[in-house]
Amino acid sequence: RKEVEQDPGPFNVPEGATVAFNCTYSNSASQSFFWYRQDCRKEPKLLMSVYSSGNEDGRFTAQLNRASQYISLLIRDSKLSDSATYLCAVIKIYNTDKLIFGTGTRLQVFP
Amino acid sequence: GAVVSQHPSWVICKSGTSVKIECRSLDFQATTMFWYRQFPKQSLMLMATSNEGSKATYEQGVEKDKFLINHASLTLSTLTVTSAHPEDSSFYICSARVGPENSPLHFGNGTRLTVT
Repeated sequence: RKEVEQDPGPFNVPEGATVAFNCTYSNSASQSFFWYRQDCRKEPKLLMSVYSSGNEDGRFTAQLNRASQYISLLIRDSKLSDSATYLCAVIKIYNTDKLIFGTGTRLQVFP
Repeated sequence: GAVVSQHPSWVICKSGTSVKIECRSLDFQATTMFWYRQFPKQSLMLMATSNEGSKATYEQGVEKDKFLINHASLTLSTLTVTSAHPEDSSFYICSARVGPENSPLHFGNGTRLTVT
């Protein structure tokens, strides 16, 4: 089983739609969680950290479910510019410092 | 603005030659930097952790003699792909952390390597 798993998609949604992605992780000792956005042929850029209590940044909401070992990203009112690959990332174990990525979920927003 | 700078952005080289990629932290000191590789339609795979003033720590399956890492200063780490082969063609991205161990990584703009 992969350490961090995501549905690769693609998710094709119309503008204005709400879309949600999940990401599961295998190591229950994982400590920190993040969502990154990666545009084609570019480096990943941090979208948001994921906190235990859940957090929101504008149209984006991230949640963590430790019991089921997954994190989620909800995008409301999708824009064309949201089209990208969304990568979840997990710091595997606190003191190893390594950030492990999922394979990413591709989102395509159409007019 | 960018906090990590990587150079070059792309490079084409012939099989058997070596390529050096530089990664710099901007306006902060990075005792640790991380080198990732990404093949088309795949995720980022951690290759090695670069430690300032000491040897790099390589992930399983990554040849340390082929991918030489030097972290001679607090703002610069270099990755040299030695005797490159076409299968080394990939997107190489460095990253660093601004903050404590559990904070996210910030990535350089990446280097697209094509070996002919």
